[in-house]
Amino acid sequence: EAQVTQNPRYLITVTGKKLTVTCSQNMNHEYMSWYRQDPGLGLRQIYYSMNVEVTDKGDVPEGYKVSRKEKRNFPLILESPSPNQTSLYFCASSSGNGYTFGSGTRLTVV
Amino acid sequence: DQQVKQNSPSLSVQEGRISILNCDYTNSMFDYFLWYKKYPAEGPTFLISISSIKDKNEDGRFTVFLNKSAKHLSLHIVPSQPGDSAVYFCAASAVSGNTGKLIFGQGTTLQVKP
Repeated sequence: EAQVTQNPRYLITVTGKKLTVTCSQNMNHEYMSWYRQDPGLGLRQIYYSMNVEVTDKGDVPEGYKVSRKEKRNFPLILESPSPNQTSLYFCASSSGNGYTFGSGTRLTVV
Repeated sequence: DQQVKQNSPSLSVQEGRISILNCDYTNSMFDYFLWYKKYPAEGPTFLISISSIKDKNEDGRFTVFLNKSAKHLSLHIVPSQPGDSAVYFCAASAVSGNTGKLIFGQGTTLQVKP
């Protein structure tokens, strides 16, 4: 089944403790991206990648890092999480015409 | 600066009637537009798209209209069904959709009443 898989689905962490949210796609898509969803703000793009080793900032990249060492994987790294990064995160992949999204990761930073 | 705006946070319609969801954009470089549907506890799913070379695209009960001069697009759902109740996001990209940068609006929550 073609899908985008992100883990974990739920995560509660403390301020400053580094964490990684993993994302993997099995569709051989060139593009991958991370979004966060917040009430009243919709989906905001954090980072995206056009292919292996090629990444670019979205609209809200501060406090996040990404890497694309393999085509199928695109992890999101929070080096020092803060409470304002509490949000619902979505990973997505695309062949060029619109993204396919994962099921989301609800992150709470206390 | 919100480049893609959905000014109606919510919409309620009766089953069988038409639902019209609206979206405005500010960036004239956008040339590919999409609508996504999102249920609670799930990721957004692609619904329908339109290229800027067209002004209408239809897929079953869903039709998207694009008015480039007004920088406005709308999604029509006819007839509306209770299963259509969800959050709808419009999204836009530049460079013929062949880019990773896709900008979303704030979303409109549609409720279809039986």
